[in-house]
Amino acid sequence: RKEVEQDPGPFNVPEGATVAFNCTYSNSASQSFFWYRQDCRKEPKLLMSVYSSGNEDGRFTAQLNRASQYISLLIRDSKLSDSATYLCVVNGNNFNKFYFGSGTKLNVKP
Amino acid sequence: DAGVTQSPTHLIKTRGQQVTLRCSPISGHKSVSWYQQVLGQGPQFIFQYYEKEERGRGNFPDRFSARQFPNYSSELNVNALLLGDSALYLCASSLYSQNANTGELFFGEGSRLTVL
Repeated sequence: RKEVEQDPGPFNVPEGATVAFNCTYSNSASQSFFWYRQDCRKEPKLLMSVYSSGNEDGRFTAQLNRASQYISLLIRDSKLSDSATYLCVVNGNNFNKFYFGSGTKLNVKP
Repeated sequence: DAGVTQSPTHLIKTRGQQVTLRCSPISGHKSVSWYQQVLGQGPQFIFQYYEKEERGRGNFPDRFSARQFPNYSSELNVNALLLGDSALYLCASSLYSQNANTGELFFGEGSRLTVL
């Protein structure tokens, strides 16, 4: 079983739509959770950390459900510039190891 | 300030050859991690180094090795290259303390390796 699993998509949505991604993780001892964004043929960049109480950054909301071991990302009012691959990231028992999901591809259409 | 720099950006090797990839972290960052990203997949953890010591290792064969230098730069070596080693190799630097990791990895643009 993979450490982190995501729906690969693609999610094709119109501008202004709300879209949600989920990911599940296998290690119940994981402590840190993140969403990274990766544009085509570019390096991943941190989008936001995910806190137990849930957190929001502008149009982006992240949630963590430890009991079910899943993380979600909600994007409101999608923009064309949101088109990218979104990577779910979880740290392992060892803080030094970060496990990336395969990514969920989002295409926002005019 | 300069970000994470990696070299070379692209390279082509043949099976059985050896390759060395280089990474310079962001100034002040003492931790360097290496990841392999195969097309269509997320980055896979290979190694992490902090203060010149290996602090984490992923599920990669012994053909993969790395080291960190006193100036915190790092090299990743891959011996006896296989076709399946073709990938984007990403280096990431981060702030790191022995008690916690802030979690933010700053990636370089990567070295794209093609093995023929």
